[in-house]
Amino acid sequence: GAVVSQHPSRVICKSGTSVKIECRSLDFQATTMFWYRQFPKQSLMLMATSNEGSKATYEQGVEKDKFLINHASLTLSTLTVTSAHPEDSSFYICSARPGTSGTDTQYFGPGTRLTVL
Amino acid sequence: GENVEQHPSTLSVQEGDSAVIKCTYSDSASNYFPWYKQELGKGPQLIIDIRSNVGEKKDQRIAVTLNKTAKHFSLHITETQPEDSAVYFCAATTNFGNEKLTFGTGTRLTIIP
Repeated sequence: GAVVSQHPSRVICKSGTSVKIECRSLDFQATTMFWYRQFPKQSLMLMATSNEGSKATYEQGVEKDKFLINHASLTLSTLTVTSAHPEDSSFYICSARPGTSGTDTQYFGPGTRLTVL
Repeated sequence: GENVEQHPSTLSVQEGDSAVIKCTYSDSASNYFPWYKQELGKGPQLIIDIRSNVGEKKDQRIAVTLNKTAKHFSLHITETQPEDSAVYFCAATTNFGNEKLTFGTGTRLTIIP
C-alpha cells in the first residue's frame, strides 16, 4: 500500500516550452502533497506544499508563476514548469501525505528527470 | 525554523558489519523522525520512522534510536548487505497541520563486498 506515482519519469524539452508533471496517490487519498527539487548529490529542497482544493504554499525563493501547482483532487497534483530554461533541469519529486498531521507519513514518488535543452 | 544536521556524509562499511548514521535537530517541538533510503535515480523510500513517545524502534536489520533530551536520533543497520548501498536521509517535523519535513544533508552508504 501507500504508492505514489509520477508521470513522466523523464522528459526532455526545448528552452521556452512548458512541461507538466503529474503526481498521483494510487491507493490512498492525499490531503496534502509536496513538491521537491533535487540537484545531483544534494538533499531534497521543498518547493511548495499543496492542499486539495486550495492554492499552493510556496517556499521562499520559488517563483509561483514559473512553477504552477494544481491539486485538483485528493489523488492528483500537477506541477507545470512554464517557459522552461536549462537552469530548470533537475530531478523533481512529489510526495503525498494521507492525513492532516505533520507527523503522518509522507510517501514519495519515483521522481521526474527534467532536461531542458 | 528546524535545522537538521546529518553525519557522516559518506560511509563505507564491509559487508556484514554494522553502519550507524547520526542526526541532530534544533527544534525541541519536533516529534516525528523518519528515515528515507534513496537509490540512484529513484525517489526516497521510507525505511523506518520513530515518534517522540518511544526511544527505540526496530524492524529486522534496521533500528532507530531517539534521545529527545540531547535532540539527536540515529539509524543503525546491522549485517549490512550490498543492496543497502544508497543515500540515506533523516528528517524531522512536528505534528502541526502543514508542517514540512526538514531533511538532513544525506549519507552515502557504500557496502564493500
